[in-house]
Amino acid sequence: DVVMTQTPPSLSVAIGQSVSISCKSSQSLVYSDGKTYLHWLLQSPGRSPKRLIYQVSNLGSGVPDRFSGTGSQKDFTLKISRVEAEDLGVYYCAQTTHFPLTFGSGTKLEIK
Amino acid sequence: EVQLQQSGAELGKPGTSVKLSCKVSGYNIRNTYMHWVNQRPGKGLEWIGRIDPANGNTIYAEKFKSKATLTADTSSNTAYMQLSQLKSDDTAIYFCAMGWFAYWGQGTLVTVSS
Repeated sequence: DVVMTQTPPSLSVAIGQSVSISCKSSQSLVYSDGKTYLHWLLQSPGRSPKRLIYQVSNLGSGVPDRFSGTGSQKDFTLKISRVEAEDLGVYYCAQTTHFPLTFGSGTKLEIK
Repeated sequence: EVQLQQSGAELGKPGTSVKLSCKVSGYNIRNTYMHWVNQRPGKGLEWIGRIDPANGNTIYAEKFKSKATLTADTSSNTAYMQLSQLKSDDTAIYFCAMGWFAYWGQGTLVTVSS
């Protein structure tokens, strides 16, 4: 199985600051079609997950452009610029290149 | 607007089965994959499996191959997951999700207790 290693496990940030979350996979996430199926999700407290970014860097519907994703092969980063209060929750990376599909262990973002 | 509406909370006794549903509106499930994911109390997300509603083909995570059975009814645009031989560690929230996790249901809490 592809292991997704997320760091840090938690973050505490003030409103307006920027943060980055890292996600590293144990195998390349490039599929045979040349695309990379790495996605970022946010689970706000008490809610179901919401997809923020798909295929490394594509913004999900209605997701503000304060969120951005970069990376390739096995090394990926989610950046949140100008954090807002509504950004708190647990962020997960997820890969859908290889079966079984796997998730990172999550990064909990708290607001100072 | 795409919406996934899951069935209500379940309380199951050890050794029994439960069947969860996920009704999709705003999109034809024949044109996508339906996934099921669980989240044990205070833990992260775990993928259970996926069904292609157009042909019924399924793929499961190894540990769920004898635990979960995924089906879909395209006439009602609904996906189902049956969990069998319930044990206490099956207690979790179970989510359905569509496509490559583009849309999620609100989750169904399954509690296993005698």
